[in-house]
Amino acid sequence: DAKTTQPTSMDCAEGRAANLPCNHSTISGNEYVYWYRQIHSQGPQYIIHGLKNNETNEMASLIITEDRKSSTLILPHATLRDTAVYYCIVRVAGSWGKLQFGAGTQVVVTP
Amino acid sequence: GAGVSQSPSNKVTEKGKDVELRCDPISGHTALYWYRQSLGQGLEFLIYFQGNSAPDKSGLPSDRFSAERTGGSVSTLTIQRTQQEDSAVYLCASRGGGGASHEQYFGPGTRLTVT
Repeated sequence: DAKTTQPTSMDCAEGRAANLPCNHSTISGNEYVYWYRQIHSQGPQYIIHGLKNNETNEMASLIITEDRKSSTLILPHATLRDTAVYYCIVRVAGSWGKLQFGAGTQVVVTP
Repeated sequence: GAGVSQSPSNKVTEKGKDVELRCDPISGHTALYWYRQSLGQGLEFLIYFQGNSAPDKSGLPSDRFSAERTGGSVSTLTIQRTQQEDSAVYLCASRGGGGASHEQYFGPGTRLTVT
C-alpha cells in the first residue's frame, strides 16, 4: 500500500470548515483513499473513502486531485466533538487485509 | 444493531501472568482484526482472520501472542507470560459484506496494564 503524509496537527475554530490535507504521491491506479478518525479513548471510526471522484457523505467531503497524488478531507462545520486524530490511508481496492495507520493529524476544534 | 464489543474494558495483570482478551464482532462479519495501540503511539496490526482461510499472523510481536476465532465469530487474543511492554489498548475490528464493504468497524478496546 502507498505511503501517506499528513501534518502532525492543526487547529480549527468551531463552526468553520476544517480542511485536512494528505499527500499520497506514490498511489497506484487501483488504490483507494480512506479516512478514519479516532476520538480520545475510543476505537477508530470510518469517515469516507474514494478512488478518483470527489465524495460526500453525512460526515465529510473528500476531494481528490486529478493526478490523485493528494486529497483533502473537509469537515464542513467543525464541532467540538470533531476533535480527534484523523488518519489518511491508501490501500488496494477489494483488499481485505490490515489497515496501515500512520501518525495521523491531531485536529483540535476550539470554541 | 450491536457494534463490535470487547471484554474486559480494562485489565490489570502482574508481569508473567497470562491474559485473554475477547472480541465479539458484528454478526455476519467474516473478517476480524486485532490491533494494539501503545500510549501515544499509532495503531499496530497484530492478526487478521478471514472466513475459513489461514489467519494472517504477520503482526504478532512474539510467540507469546496467539489468537483464535471460534465458529467464525468470537475471537480471543491470548498473551502468555505478560511483560510490561505489552501494556497497551488492544483493539478489535470486523468487516463484512463482501467486496462492496470497505469499512472496518472497531470496538472500544481493552486497556491492558502489566505491573
